[in-house]
Amino acid sequence: GQNIDQPTEMTATEGAIVQINCTYQTSGFNGLFWYQQHAGEAPTFLSYNVLDGLEEKGRFSSFLSRSKGYSYLLLKELQMKDSASYLCAVRDSGYALNFGKGTSLLVTP
Amino acid sequence: IAGITQAPTSQILAAGRRMTLRCTQDMRHNAMYWYRQDLGLGLRLIHYSNTAGTTGKGEVPDGYSVSRANTDDFPLTLASAVPSQTSVYFCASSRTSGGPDTQYFGPGTRLTVL
Repeated sequence: GQNIDQPTEMTATEGAIVQINCTYQTSGFNGLFWYQQHAGEAPTFLSYNVLDGLEEKGRFSSFLSRSKGYSYLLLKELQMKDSASYLCAVRDSGYALNFGKGTSLLVTP
Repeated sequence: IAGITQAPTSQILAAGRRMTLRCTQDMRHNAMYWYRQDLGLGLRLIHYSNTAGTTGKGEVPDGYSVSRANTDDFPLTLASAVPSQTSVYFCASSRTSGGPDTQYFGPGTRLTVL
């Protein structure tokens, strides 16, 4: 079966750094994705990790440890527009993405 | 380029009625997916299609059917809607169903079954 856990809610201050964790237990592993979803909108792709280590893309970075079944999304220099839900998704040995329930991030002034 | 479109944007439906949600992509992606998103439950896969002419069941397929007659279109049908099918439905597509290929999501259909 699939089990993907991430915190339900987080709050951070504008300009700060926030780390959103994701732990997973899946049958097989073919990559981990992070998506951003603003309220009332569709999820949009942020990052993909398949090998251990850090992937950096502007203000956003994503880390993966396959041996620990662990990933995090790091958001730097937070902006108000970063208030959104962040979805962790794992591709197992099959075809589809298995999504966590998402972390709702609120950025405050 | 539109990407991936869904219709209708929203719909209120009486229980027992039949409803088809439409999804079209113009990216020539082989794989397409239908998800439902419910508060507290996240995105759950209903049905998928790895390529035109093939479909498969996801995590929550009961009460739903799909077809994939061509590459571009992937309609989702509720044969006899029930209130528990009230949800936001997202269609997605990807170049293939494996590896690093990203899934791109449509804008969603908000369905209410009364």
